[in-house]
Amino acid sequence: SQTIHQWPATLVQPVGSPLSLECTVEGTSNPNLYWYRQAAGRGLQLLFYSVGIGQISSEVPQNLSASRPQDRQFILSSKKLLLSDSGFYLCAWSVGHGGVGETQYFGPGTRLLVL
Amino acid sequence: AQKITQTQPGMFVQEKEAVTLDCTYDTSDPSYGLFWYKQPSSGEMIFLIYQGSYDQQNATEGRYSLNFQKARKSANLVISASQLGDSAMYFCAMRERTSGSARQLTFGSGTQLTVLP
Repeated sequence: SQTIHQWPATLVQPVGSPLSLECTVEGTSNPNLYWYRQAAGRGLQLLFYSVGIGQISSEVPQNLSASRPQDRQFILSSKKLLLSDSGFYLCAWSVGHGGVGETQYFGPGTRLLVL
Repeated sequence: AQKITQTQPGMFVQEKEAVTLDCTYDTSDPSYGLFWYKQPSSGEMIFLIYQGSYDQQNATEGRYSLNFQKARKSANLVISASQLGDSAMYFCAMRERTSGSARQLTFGSGTQLTVLP
């Protein structure tokens, strides 16, 4: 069965510091991968998605970036964190070629607090 | 305009009772998919149920069923025989065909369900 891991689970970082969040998927090949952010008490906002190694699409302009160095690894980064980057970051995966019924499955998330 | 609207910020239900969580959506795309996710306090988003716009029957998955009324553009989640473990935030989401390679799932603002013993 498929499993998705995210780490760290919780992170407290000062403003201006760098960020690296990691997501890995097990049990599937060539997944589509996604990074979402959830502000407190809100729905999810798609930040990035990737359909293959080295292929990254950005949905929202921000000071974050994403990379996919391996088939089942997705990394969210920042060179300098802002206060507004605080939130709950969720990684998700799916398989398919973009049908409306393509279900996304989420990881446990990372809570980021920027002080 | 909001693509997904969940008008109930919070709901309470007695254990073993059924509860309906409302979701209305807005799209001009004839092909779309509707999803419900559960988010317990731990934070993980758990997929519950899916309904396609062309599906003739309402989706069911164990104690979860989807009351899909296409003309009204509503896709309400029905949870039967509520359990204490059902207490969580519930999100309705939609994917439109015109999302194309964006693969965007658009989420509602969620409904916090509390099951009372």
